[in-house]
Amino acid sequence: EIVMTQSPATLSVSPGERATLSCRASQSVSSNLAWYQQKPGQAPRLLIYGASTRATGIPARFSGSGSGTEFTLTISSLQSEDFAVYYCQQYNNWPPSWTFGQGTKVEIK
Amino acid sequence: QLQLQESGPGLVKPSETLSLTCTVSGGSISSSSYYWGWIRQPPGKGLEWIGSIYYSGSTYYNPSLKSRVTISVDTSKNQFSLKLSSVTAADTAVYYCARASSSTQDAFDIWGQGTMVTVSS
Repeated sequence: EIVMTQSPATLSVSPGERATLSCRASQSVSSNLAWYQQKPGQAPRLLIYGASTRATGIPARFSGSGSGTEFTLTISSLQSEDFAVYYCQQYNNWPPSWTFGQGTKVEIK
Repeated sequence: QLQLQESGPGLVKPSETLSLTCTVSGGSISSSSYYWGWIRQPPGKGLEWIGSIYYSGSTYYNPSLKSRVTISVDTSKNQFSLKLSSVTAADTAVYYCARASSSTQDAFDIWGQGTMVTVSS
């Protein structure tokens, strides 16, 4: 079973600053890596899939990078609406399975 | 626009079976391009994939829950369902249904709003 580990658990950032979130897989997941944003009381929203492709309607300030076991989500200039919890998730081709990281909370500094 | 909506009891007694249904509207559940999944989130905690089903009926489960989970699909009603047996307080969570699409490399691109299920006597 693949384990996804996110760091840090909490990231304190000022509006307008850059935020860098990390996600590590216990074994290679190729580029089968997605990032989600979740705000309180809401369902998660897909931000990035295929490690680096923005989902429909996602602003360009969100970018993803990495492959294999090391991945990064970067928010270039944090807006007030970006303060939320972010989850990475891997997808295994066969047999199909999905695993989430434990999340990183981005809070206002 | 495709939408997902969870439904089912909000309170389940310990040792009983949790049953939820996800209704798909605005599109067909019978497409080879999608998996349909259940994900849960205990209060204040992270997301946990429970299992997924293909329109053909093929199912895939989280190994940690596999012995207690059954997911089924009813293409005539455009619905898929979750049954989780022998529940305990640890199964208290918001339960989401979601679609994993081949166009997003099987990431979950559309989610239901979630339904809170509490396990308590």
